Amino acid sequence: ELKVEQNPLFLSMQEGKNYTIYCNYSTTSDRLYWYRQDPGKSLESLFVLLSNGAVKQEGRLMASLDTKARLSTLHITAAVHDLSATYFCAVDSYGGNKLVFGAGTILRVKS
Amino acid sequence: GAGVSQSPSNKVTEKGKDVELRCDPISGHTALYWYRQSLGQGLEFLIYFQGNSAPDKSGLPSDRFSAERTGGSVSTLTIQRTQQEDSAVYLCASSLVASGAYQETQYFGPGTRLLVL
Repeated sequence: ELKVEQNPLFLSMQEGKNYTIYCNYSTTSDRLYWYRQDPGKSLESLFVLLSNGAVKQEGRLMASLDTKARLSTLHITAAVHDLSATYFCAVDSYGGNKLVFGAGTILRVKS
Repeated sequence: GAGVSQSPSNKVTEKGKDVELRCDPISGHTALYWYRQSLGQGLEFLIYFQGNSAPDKSGLPSDRFSAERTGGSVSTLTIQRTQQEDSAVYLCASSLVASGAYQETQYFGPGTRLLVL
């Protein structure tokens, strides 16, 4: 059974600082997704990582994937308040028809 | 273009009543998914529809839950004899499906917040 673990589950950081969210998964997977969720809102797709060594960047966020280690990271550079949200990673198991989500990381960026 | 839409946005019901939740996927998306998000369980897969194939119902928590998709577009999730533990946000998502077993990004709707009293 595919399991996805994120850490930390809660992250409070100062504006301007850097930090990394980690996502580990238990079985071989083809694709890894990062989503953002604002309070009371739905999920917004941030990144899709398709292969080992994939790296994608959008603004202050950068995601990477190491399929051998079954690990993805979401790196935050010089955080700003607008990045405050809950971030989920999700894994699409090979041949599967569903996403398995991590528990989510609540990020709070303090001014 | 229009995204995934869901209705109602909020639903309050009494224990034992039936509820129907509706999802309109993005036009042209052949795959449709239902997920449930609750404090205790996080985000859980419920059911998946792809074209005319039989749906993958492996995530439905009990036989009180059912879903259908008419004409390959709109889907309805029905919960019969609701229980308090059914209280959650029900999210619908849709995607294009590439050839083979691979899937495209799933785009989520705003969700229906269900409260069972």
